[in-house]
Amino acid sequence: DGGITQSPKYLFRKEGQNVTLSCEQNLNHDAMYWYRQDPGQGLRLIYYSQIVNDFQKGDIAEGYSVSREKKESFPLTVTSAQKNPTAFYLCASSSNLGGQPQHFGDGTRLSIL
Amino acid sequence: ILNVEQSPQSLHVQEGDSTNFTCSFPSSNFYALHWYRWETAKSPEALFVMTLNGDEKKKGRISATLNTKEGYSYLYIKGSQPEDSATYLCASYFTGTASKLTFGTGTRLQVTL
Repeated sequence: DGGITQSPKYLFRKEGQNVTLSCEQNLNHDAMYWYRQDPGQGLRLIYYSQIVNDFQKGDIAEGYSVSREKKESFPLTVTSAQKNPTAFYLCASSSNLGGQPQHFGDGTRLSIL
Repeated sequence: ILNVEQSPQSLHVQEGDSTNFTCSFPSSNFYALHWYRWETAKSPEALFVMTLNGDEKKKGRISATLNTKEGYSYLYIKGSQPEDSATYLCASYFTGTASKLTFGTGTRLQVTL
């Protein structure tokens, strides 16, 4: 079945450590996105990519990095510079046609040890 | 700043009740409006995408309308069932923002027997 796979489901980070969240899609979508959800807030965009080898900062990119070396994959690294990384992270993809719905993964919950 | 606002924040209805939620957005630079349903422990699922003023979409007992001139959309659920319990997210595309969706904070619906 086509879809988006995020891993791991739960992740723990130690102080000063970088961690990477995986996102893979087999929907042949050009665009991929990373969102962060905090209690009481809407989904906030961290980074997005409209095409391989290209990506743009979203609204809250500080302390995060991404790569888009393959169409299917858009990993997110939460660096030690992100001082408040505890959150729920969602990856999504869509065709690049404006207004097309986004398809979401099941999310990764990141916590600090 | 492009804000998408949803009300109410949460709603508790009994089985069989009909209900509706509101999504408000800036009408200038509007391109498309999305509704998603997000059930607990699952990924958000697209319900509707609407672009034109006066658009109406229906999926079973759920329907949505769009008013782009005044900047709002309504989501209606007729005869609510416990399986309708979820968070309903509204999100909007604006021109000039590439493929970026701006999300509201959601309306959390709980339907009890």
